[in-house]
Amino acid sequence: EVQLVESGGDLVKPGGSLRLSCAASGFTFKNAWMNWVRQAPGQGLEWVGRIKSNTDGGTIDYGAPVRGRFTISRDDSKNTLSLQMNSLKTEDTAIYYCTTMKTSGKGYYFDNWGQGTPVTVSS
Amino acid sequence: DIQMTQSPSSLSASVGDRVTITCRASQSISNYLNWYQQKPGKAPNLLIFAASNLQSGVPSRFSGSGSGTDFTLTVSSLQPEDFATYYCQQSYSTPPYTFGQGTKLEIK
Repeated sequence: EVQLVESGGDLVKPGGSLRLSCAASGFTFKNAWMNWVRQAPGQGLEWVGRIKSNTDGGTIDYGAPVRGRFTISRDDSKNTLSLQMNSLKTEDTAIYYCTTMKTSGKGYYFDNWGQGTPVTVSS
Repeated sequence: DIQMTQSPSSLSASVGDRVTITCRASQSISNYLNWYQQKPGKAPNLLIFAASNLQSGVPSRFSGSGSGTDFTLTVSSLQPEDFATYYCQQSYSTPPYTFGQGTKLEIK
């Protein structure tokens, strides 16, 4: 059974930093494309960023609102995905979900999701 | 970036009803369109991928159709557990992978 368990969410002041982790199990993590998706309180879903598997080049892409402030990384030896968040803004307040990504040959979809970890940015 | 617009934003229906939710893309995305269901306090769950392919374990009362810019998600006979918020998401070309704003399906 696929399991994704996020951790690290907390209350942080504007301008501060936070590091989220996602522990993966139940699948071959090193072959997986992984994503972060967030959801602000009472709002919809927003894609944060994606990291490909190292065998597929390890390419990382980010959404415009977080580019230059957030960094996604992976440790295939520990089956762990990370999200380093710097220069945090109040608008970064959200639940952050770790997801796996698959392709059917017709695009990409998020097939497994963690339970999410809450991040609150407030003074 | 490709914008996704869902309609309606909210919908009231009764158990047993047939309901349809629409998702429109700001440009053609072929059939690179996925649908998710989210219940309160829970993570989203994949229902349909590539416009019309039912994810394993999802009941057959859910179906998707469309290509190009216009897509639909249909629930053939609503069950109590189907009352939730539904999101479409496109993955055409390069990121960002954008979502629609969501459609909240409520009990009438």
